[in-house]
Amino acid sequence: DIQMTQSPFTLSAYVGDRVNITCRASQTLSDWLAWYQQKPGKAPKLLISKASNLEGGVPSRFSGSGSGTEFTLTISSLQPHDFATYYCQQYKSYWTFGQGTRVEIK
Amino acid sequence: QVYLAESGGGVVQPGESLRLSCTASGFTFSKYGMHWVRQAPGRGLEWVAFIRYDGVNQFYVSSVKGRFAISRDNSRNTLYLQMNTLRPEDTAVYYCAKDVVGLSVAGVFDFWGQGTLVTVSS
Repeated sequence: DIQMTQSPFTLSAYVGDRVNITCRASQTLSDWLAWYQQKPGKAPKLLISKASNLEGGVPSRFSGSGSGTEFTLTISSLQPHDFATYYCQQYKSYWTFGQGTRVEIK
Repeated sequence: QVYLAESGGGVVQPGESLRLSCTASGFTFSKYGMHWVRQAPGRGLEWVAFIRYDGVNQFYVSSVKGRFAISRDNSRNTLYLQMNTLRPEDTAVYYCAKDVVGLSVAGVFDFWGQGTLVTVSS
């Protein structure tokens, strides 16, 4: 099974900050990686697929990078609506999620 | 507009069964693989099961193999999850999710339902 590890677990930041969330895979994924945003009490929302492809309607301040075993989700200028939990998910072999990174207001 | 609506959750005792349903609209249901993903209270997301668009293939996370069964009725635009021999660790919100790719499988979930809570407790 492919294990996914995100860091940090929790991130405190100000509105306007640049934020990076890292996701590491136990095996190479090529670029078969997606990112989701989840707000409390809501279903997850797909942000990015294939490591860097932004889904339609997702603000351009979100970007994804990486390949192989290390990936990054970047929010270039954190907005109030962006405070949420973010999950990476591999789809190279079956499907597994990282444990999540909670982005909090500082 | 894609819409997925889960139902069937509730409180059951360990060892009991429950069947979840997910009714879909706004897309050609019979052309897309579908998944169940769960989230234990205060925890992260866990993929549970997948069924191919035509129902021919199903896959499960190891912890539910032999206890859960995913199925679909394309004539009713409905996805199911039959959960047997439930355990306390199955307690979670269960989401149905649509695969992004038609007539194949990618394992990227582009639309999700609102979820239904299953509580397994004595």
